[in-house]
Amino acid sequence: DTAVSQTPKYLVTQMGNDKSIKCEQNLGHDTMYWYKQDSKKFLKIMFSYNNKELIINETVPNRFSPKSPDKAHLNLHINSLELGDSAVYFCASSQDGWSYTFGSGTRLTVV
Amino acid sequence: AQKVTQAQTEISVVEKEDVTLDCVYETRDTTYYLFWYKQPPSGELVFLIRRNSFDEQNEISGRYSWNFQKSTSSFNFTITASQVVDSAVYFCALSGDNYGQNFVFGPGTRLSVLP
Repeated sequence: DTAVSQTPKYLVTQMGNDKSIKCEQNLGHDTMYWYKQDSKKFLKIMFSYNNKELIINETVPNRFSPKSPDKAHLNLHINSLELGDSAVYFCASSQDGWSYTFGSGTRLTVV
Repeated sequence: AQKVTQAQTEISVVEKEDVTLDCVYETRDTTYYLFWYKQPPSGELVFLIRRNSFDEQNEISGRYSWNFQKSTSSFNFTITASQVVDSAVYFCALSGDNYGQNFVFGPGTRLSVLP
């Protein structure tokens, strides 16, 4: 069974559209995260969500919003997509901040 | 502010050579955690190792070994007798707390192992 699963794996969409990326973890972890990997392969944290507490990286545009229907899910919703949003987005989870399990990534291409 | 530097952008070696990937970090925390992740061409991130700041013992796992030098703020990763399957991007990362708010990744080093 996949521990952290993201869907879709690939997403191509036009500028201005709204899209969501789903993430689910079956590890029972308390904290989930979204990371953005840019074209230079640099990973930056976007959000972390722990026990209904959301911590946002202040550099993330408010067009990005995480939504957590329950502890096992942290979805990423993006409004009014821009070309610069093209990247690979990784979901991750952790129980204690000691080890992190990452999803396989979602490659978003905005055209 | 926390920062992770991986000065080697790309490394190419021939199979069976040993290779060391450098990682230098900056933090003001007295307690912190260091990680290495592997990202193969398929894209997923694979956890390799974690180390806390109080444990400076070097670690060996098969062909992999890690050298943690607190005095130089380095956490280098060595692959012995490299194989083609080791080709990937390797990320060093630093976390300053238990919830990952300060989880900082380095820019990664792309390792190509040629047959």
